[in-house]
Amino acid sequence: DQQVKQNSPSLSVQEGRISILNCDYTNSMFDYFLWYKKYPAEGPTFLISISSIKDKNEDGRFTVFLNKSAKHLSLHIVPSQPGDSAVYFCAASVSGAGSYQLTFGKGTKLSVIP
Amino acid sequence: DADVTQTPRNRITKTGKRIMLECSQTKGHDRMYWYRQDPGLGLRLIYYSFDVKDINKGEISDGYSVSRQAQAKFSLSLESAIPNQTALYFCATATPTGTKYEQFFGPGTRLTVL
Repeated sequence: DQQVKQNSPSLSVQEGRISILNCDYTNSMFDYFLWYKKYPAEGPTFLISISSIKDKNEDGRFTVFLNKSAKHLSLHIVPSQPGDSAVYFCAASVSGAGSYQLTFGKGTKLSVIP
Repeated sequence: DADVTQTPRNRITKTGKRIMLECSQTKGHDRMYWYRQDPGLGLRLIYYSFDVKDINKGEISDGYSVSRQAQAKFSLSLESAIPNQTALYFCATATPTGTKYEQFFGPGTRLTVL
């Protein structure tokens, strides 16, 4: 059973507008969440993360929101730029497990249209 | 120079052949991971290692084996390759930083099994 779900395989947004990527999780033990960005022919690169003790974390144009009661997180990109076009993976971890093991969603392909 | 390198970057092999994918890192991290990515399925963990003497199975270890030759090197072997092992393979590293659980990924190896 999928523990981390990204239900939108793709998303298209106009340049300058907001991109919102969503992620849901089922395992209530997850307490640390990350977003990775992946360009074709490259490995995923870390974008932003959030601990379950917070409900928001912001880094420049990127903000991650966490709703623990709904087991839902979202990544907001404002304003969206063509260079943001990539596949975005949501990942979750149990911080106390010690393995630093990440469980990934299937990814959402974002296309930012100039 | 890249912190996490993978060789080869591309490989085509035949069913039944033994193949090894190699990963090296200069980040000094103790934890290393192997993932595979299939279209529409995200990244799934194959094996992970805490150090040279500690190897752990991940979600999809059947048909694979690993070797941690040194702290900086982690190899993935397919003893007898089969077509459904055709995928993109990623190596990743991590190290305890207290509150962060970020993994750093290599550029990937595209493996095709005919």
